[in-house]
Amino acid sequence: TQLLEQSPQFLSIQEGENLTVYCNSSSVFSSLQWYRQEPGEGPVLLVTVVTGGEVKKLKRLTFQFGDARKDSSLHITAAQPGDTGLYLCAGTPNTGGFKTIFGAGTRLFVKA
Amino acid sequence: DTAVSQTPKYLVTQMGNDKSIKCEQNLGHDTMYWYKQDSKKFLKIMFSYNNKELIINETVPNRFSPKSPDKAHLNLHINSLELGDSAVYFCASSFNTGGRGEKLFFGSGTQLSVL
Repeated sequence: TQLLEQSPQFLSIQEGENLTVYCNSSSVFSSLQWYRQEPGEGPVLLVTVVTGGEVKKLKRLTFQFGDARKDSSLHITAAQPGDTGLYLCAGTPNTGGFKTIFGAGTRLFVKA
Repeated sequence: DTAVSQTPKYLVTQMGNDKSIKCEQNLGHDTMYWYKQDSKKFLKIMFSYNNKELIINETVPNRFSPKSPDKAHLNLHINSLELGDSAVYFCASSFNTGGRGEKLFFGSGTQLSVL
């Protein structure tokens, strides 16, 4: 079974603080994705990382794929209340196919 | 223009009933999915169809039967509903990126409550 473990499960911070969310697995993934989900809505794709060691930036969000393609991190700089939401990492196993599995999510709350 | 739309948004029903959830995507994708999100927000894949063919069936009870009349539609029928079926069900679609990761586009979910 290929599992994606996210940490922390819950994070409550003040506006302006930085934070990092981690996504780890013992398995190799051909790619990892990060999604953000708001209440009452479906997850929305933020980024896909494919190459080991890859770093992608999306405004104040920085995503990194581990060299061994088993883990990823999401770093938010100067968090804002609008960043509040559920962040999900997801991965496509190295065996290919159409199966995307999800981590349990990190619930982020940014206080003004 | 909603890319992936599913109906209904809310579904409240009694144990033992049969219900259906409909999903349509206008993105031209060839793969569609049903995911179940439990109360702890864990998303678990149930089914996947590629070009109307079932390619993933994740040990879901036989009471759940997906149907894909064409590439743009994937419906989910549930027989003999049980309390444990209460959850949010998400439809999603994706296009084949050639091994560079499936990019999923989700509907807004159907919150099913079985009483």
